[in-house]
Amino acid sequence: QVQLQESGPGLVKPSDTLSLTCNVSGGSVSSGNYYWSWIRQPPGKGLEWIGYIYHSGITHYNPSLKSRVTISLDTSKNQFSLKLSSVTASDTAVYYCAREHPTWPPDSWGQGTLATVSS
Amino acid sequence: QSVLTQPPSASGTPGQRVTISCSGSSSSIGSNYVFWYQQLPGTAPKLLIHRNNQRPSGVPDRFSGSKSGTFASLAISGLRSEDEAEYYCAAWDDSLSGPVFGGGTKLTVL
Repeated sequence: QVQLQESGPGLVKPSDTLSLTCNVSGGSVSSGNYYWSWIRQPPGKGLEWIGYIYHSGITHYNPSLKSRVTISLDTSKNQFSLKLSSVTASDTAVYYCAREHPTWPPDSWGQGTLATVSS
Repeated sequence: QSVLTQPPSASGTPGQRVTISCSGSSSSIGSNYVFWYQQLPGTAPKLLIHRNNQRPSGVPDRFSGSKSGTFASLAISGLRSEDEAEYYCAAWDDSLSGPVFGGGTKLTVL
């Protein structure tokens, strides 16, 4: 059974870049059967899809965040990463990494990591 | 504002049956599978229903899902106190080429 685990700084300064990594075990990010995605949830609010990366390196981002988001893959470490630039307080959220079958919502989620944007 | 529409709250007493609705569009629920998640406070969403009405192993058969057109619903029968949680629906959206979510329904067991 696949397991996903997020890691990264819990505190980010305004205008800086938020960087998170998702370590995958029990499955391979090189598998052609899945998208590897990032989803966030502001405190007390609902879920927002950020984007995904495919094993080929092809990415697709939510248009609302596209100008600030980069998702990348490290097959040697079986990891994928999120970078969100020029953050503001509205980017404060629990960030989840997840696995999706193409054209399906996520079927596996990491436990989530809280990223707070504050000076 | 979420793409899929859910009631913000629902409630029931132990043993009752409750349903939670989820409304979408032709590009989301109308042409793709619906998933349902249960989220307890401080935890990640847990997959409850996939592909409209399929339960992952370990999910009690008290939970069931259905879909018709651009609407979906989650039914919970024999309500228990441990069912008190936030419930989210989700579906792929062909216009976004990504998943969209409902705003969540807070279920209270009275």
